[in-house]
Amino acid sequence: AAGVIQSPRHLIKEKRETATLKCYPIPRHDTVYWYQQGPGQDPQFLISFYEKMQSDKGSIPDRFSAQQFSDYHSELNMSSLELGDSALYFCASSLTRANVLTFGAGSRLTVL
Amino acid sequence: DAKTTQPPSMDCAEGRAANLPCNHSTISGNEYVYWYRQIHSQGPQYIIHGLKNNETNEMASLIITEDRKSSTLILPHATLRDTAVYYCIVRVDTSGTYKYIFGTGTRLKVLA
Repeated sequence: AAGVIQSPRHLIKEKRETATLKCYPIPRHDTVYWYQQGPGQDPQFLISFYEKMQSDKGSIPDRFSAQQFSDYHSELNMSSLELGDSALYFCASSLTRANVLTFGAGSRLTVL
Repeated sequence: DAKTTQPPSMDCAEGRAANLPCNHSTISGNEYVYWYRQIHSQGPQYIIHGLKNNETNEMASLIITEDRKSSTLILPHATLRDTAVYYCIVRVDTSGTYKYIFGTGTRLKVLA
């Protein structure tokens, strides 16, 4: 069965640079969630989208932005990267907002 | 937002049942309880969810108390591959938006 695809799987950036993470949901899934998991921490909700519109916002820094495109894939843009942005970033998708979330394998961002 | 409380860690002998408790005393009437697990740094994996009735699937059983203030996830015959961090999550429903907030989880170690 198709799963949630995240790219890139690993990314290394310098401080103050910009990074973009991509998420391709399971086909027909219209809802996407983004989570950030720092080293030794629990996943923190960043932002969610439903039908290409922002649905809810969590602890997403102002330096980050995200959107969901017409084909339902989503991108998380991170600017002015800081060392503390080093984390695993998970994307999850669901068929409508009230269904089970399926998570991708994550993108590991390292900021040097 | 409804919060969950879980013991930080538990051990279980291989082949025995693992019973993982979760307190969610501030849960609202329409909020579901979800369980996910995370093996090492992989994406969280869905296990089971429920509203008020007990639920069972091929992976686990979920027992929810009548007052819905706590629940227990049961892995009937734990194997070494069940070693993971188990998250009990209350899905917060607010005017048609749904938020899955991860707590601190229980680190389950299955012992040979």
